[in-house]
Amino acid sequence: EAGVAQSPRYKIIEKRQSVAFWCNPISGHATLYWYQQILGQGPKLLIQFQNNGVVDDSQLPKDRFSAERLKGVDSTLKIQPAKLEDSAVYLCASSPPGGRRSGNTIYFGEGSWLTVV
Amino acid sequence: KQEVTQIPAALSVPEGENLVLNCSFTDSAIYNLQWFRQDPGKGLTSLLLIQSSQREQTSGRLNASLDKSSGRSTLYIAASQPGDSATYLCAVKEQTGANNLFFGTGTRLTVIP
Repeated sequence: EAGVAQSPRYKIIEKRQSVAFWCNPISGHATLYWYQQILGQGPKLLIQFQNNGVVDDSQLPKDRFSAERLKGVDSTLKIQPAKLEDSAVYLCASSPPGGRRSGNTIYFGEGSWLTVV
Repeated sequence: KQEVTQIPAALSVPEGENLVLNCSFTDSAIYNLQWFRQDPGKGLTSLLLIQSSQREQTSGRLNASLDKSSGRSTLYIAASQPGDSATYLCAVKEQTGANNLFFGTGTRLTVIP
């Protein structure tokens, strides 16, 4: 079974530039998550999708971050304009159907590493 | 707001030693708790998942315990090996709210050959 795919794996941009990350979840997984992991910290949820609807985006800095999952499958996370503090790993994850109380685990991709200089 | 803390932040042990990693969480109303492993430059791999009704889970040399009332979990690694070197993260899923995980900051483990 193919895992969660993310691209690009690494990106270096200058501050105020824009960047986009792509994620393709495991086939059949209805829920997709974007997490931000700053060096030395645990991942923090940015946004959660259930199919193509947003479940939780309370931690997403909406003035510069946007995400979409138009067809309920793959997703794109965009940052525009980037700031130095956006340097982090952006982890995409997915989980199978089962509702909020699903005991199923969440499967993570290998992450997209962003450095803003 | 749920806060998850892991102690120690870093740990070095000689190969063969048994070790314990600690995780604490502030809100005991959790649905489950997971331990993840993260290798440098890689994503997260789930190691063990403990439902709130369970007290422990075992997989090979790993044993995770959960004391929900005190807000604590431990990950026990027996007979450590250099290949166990990684960062270990614990995460809790709450009973209410969206189906996402709250992570600790991790413990970076180094097993010295």
